[in-house]
Amino acid sequence: AQKVTQAQTEISVVEKEDVTLDCVYETRDTTYYLFWYKQPPSGELVFLIRRNSFDEQNEISGRYSWNFQKSTSSFNFTITASQVVDSAVYFCALSEVNYNTDKLIFGTGTRLQVFP
Amino acid sequence: DTAVSQTPKYLVTQMGNDKSIKCEQNLGHDTMYWYKQDSKKFLKIMFSYNNKELIINETVPNRFSPKSPDKAHLNLHINSLELGDSAVYFCASSQGASGSLTGELFFGEGSRLTVL
Repeated sequence: AQKVTQAQTEISVVEKEDVTLDCVYETRDTTYYLFWYKQPPSGELVFLIRRNSFDEQNEISGRYSWNFQKSTSSFNFTITASQVVDSAVYFCALSEVNYNTDKLIFGTGTRLQVFP
Repeated sequence: DTAVSQTPKYLVTQMGNDKSIKCEQNLGHDTMYWYKQDSKKFLKIMFSYNNKELIINETVPNRFSPKSPDKAHLNLHINSLELGDSAVYFCASSQGASGSLTGELFFGEGSRLTVL
């Protein structure tokens, strides 16, 4: 069965600290996609990144970076020099790609609080 | 123009009532979804439709009835509302057609339903 585990329920840091959010997934598919979404206090779901299963290159986007390791089935997310605006719930998700529909399986989320 | 729009954003109602949430997407996508986010922030798929055809129905009580009049709209009707139905309901869409699956979902802003 497909599953996404975000073991960290809540993380608190002080501004400018680096923080890593962990994500471990389970799937039998050879082709799949992994995602990170951000949900700020306003409630909307903001897409951050998509990574397909054949691309293990790490990605950096500004202060955000992602480390995808198939060997450990992990897709971790690091925020460098965190800011108060990074405070949100972050979801890791795995897509189950079927013939004519995509189904996202979400982890339980990690609430990140960044204090000034 | 909002890509995926839901109405209403907030809905407060009494137990036993029937209510509907509407969703429209202007992305030209083939597939639309309803996700439920409970009070613990857990996000779970309820339904998906591809070109007006029901594809995924994730053991949701039959008090919940999705309706897709065309591929740009997916409405959610809930009969005999219960306290446990209180949640945020997210509509989403994806390309979803065979040969163009990307796993990426575009979410609406959510509709917060409170049942008293």
